[in-house]
Amino acid sequence: DAGVIQSPRHEVTEMGQEVTLRCKPISGHNSLFWYRQTMMRGLELLIYFNNNVPIDDSGMPEDRFSAKMPNASFSTLKIQPSEPRDSAVYFCASSPLAGSPNEQYFGPGTRLTVT
Amino acid sequence: SQKIEQNSEALNIQEGKTATLTCNYTNYSPAYLQWYRQDPGRGPVFLLLIRENEKEKRKERLKVTFDTTLKQSLFHITASQPADSATYLCALATYGGSQGNLIFGKGTKLSVKP
Repeated sequence: DAGVIQSPRHEVTEMGQEVTLRCKPISGHNSLFWYRQTMMRGLELLIYFNNNVPIDDSGMPEDRFSAKMPNASFSTLKIQPSEPRDSAVYFCASSPLAGSPNEQYFGPGTRLTVT
Repeated sequence: SQKIEQNSEALNIQEGKTATLTCNYTNYSPAYLQWYRQDPGRGPVFLLLIRENEKEKRKERLKVTFDTTLKQSLFHITASQPADSATYLCALATYGGSQGNLIFGKGTKLSVKP
């Protein structure tokens, strides 16, 4: 298995532009997580899905952020409009069983820079 | 307020020694705790999971302890090697809320010198 796949790996955009990050979880995994990592705040959960349904989006910082999971093999995280403070590394992770204490498998991340 | 603290931002040790990393938490009732390794430019990689009713878990040169009275987990790497150099993150999952929701510490950067 290729593991969790994220694209793009790097994104540089100007303030005000829309940014879409993409994730393909490991086949057969039922849970998908979006995280943001910065030096100041560490790794923070933004939202997570079980069986394609959003379960907890309390970590989404504001309405500019939205996430979708239209099917079991694809998810997007969109920021519109982007701001410089959104600059961070965004990770997608998947986990085998919904609602179980399983390990999470992380993708390589997308490094977002908003100028 | 709820807090997860990893004892230090950086830990430097000599090859062959045992590295001990600490994860302390306050105002949580964790159901289980996980440890991850993160290398520069990469996502975290799962190492070990320990449940609240387990005192200790081992995997090869790794050992994790979990003391719910002290609200602390210790992560040990015995016979450390330069290849063990990385950032190590602890993560808690609590009762209630959404199962699978992990709260991560900021990590401890371990450097093992040859």
